[in-house]
Amino acid sequence: NAGVTQTPKFQVLKTGQSMTLQCAQDMNHEYMSWYRQDPGMGLRLIHYSVGAGITDQGEVPNGYNVSRSTTEDFPLRLLSAAPSQTSVYFCASSYFLGAALGELFFGEGSRLTVL
Amino acid sequence: GENVEQHPSTLSVQEGDSAVIKCTYSDSASNYFPWYKQELGKRPQLIIDIRSNVGEKKDQRIAVTLNKTAKHFSLHITETQPEDSAVYFCAAAGGGNKLTFGTGTQLKVEL
Repeated sequence: NAGVTQTPKFQVLKTGQSMTLQCAQDMNHEYMSWYRQDPGMGLRLIHYSVGAGITDQGEVPNGYNVSRSTTEDFPLRLLSAAPSQTSVYFCASSYFLGAALGELFFGEGSRLTVL
Repeated sequence: GENVEQHPSTLSVQEGDSAVIKCTYSDSASNYFPWYKQELGKRPQLIIDIRSNVGEKKDQRIAVTLNKTAKHFSLHITETQPEDSAVYFCAAAGGGNKLTFGTGTQLKVEL
């Protein structure tokens, strides 16, 4: 198993450009999520999905879009990049124990710089 | 929504001493409380978790306690070793399946 795979690992964008961070998991997890990590602010939830075709907003969704057309993939789209979106982005997936969330498995992270 | 506060933000201990990190949460419906360890430049990884029907859980040198009435939970690491040096995050999740993280504790174990 590859686990959770994120691409790209590094990206530099100019303000106003758009891009997509890819995330794929091969563990058949129903739950997938995107977090951003900034110094001193921990991990903040951007968007999450509890299954194919279902997405919902987290704490900091503005400026980001997601879709979940398959169980395996959960891409994160930056519509018009801003310097405030400079961060490290983590994709994470999990299973459900009944209705309860299980362990989150994280990807290696994607470091995004917006100039 | 859920708000998780974590203290201290930095913690320095001598090798062999114990370390305690504390978190409080705001949503009384939260029922899952994991702890993650993140080494420098690496991804967060689960080290222990507890659900709301349990008050304490241990795994070798690591233990977590939960006080639902006070809405706080703590991570205890005994006999600390240099490889325990990392950033530790607490988190809380409720029925909405949103896992909210604390701001992290940088633990440094000194020789």
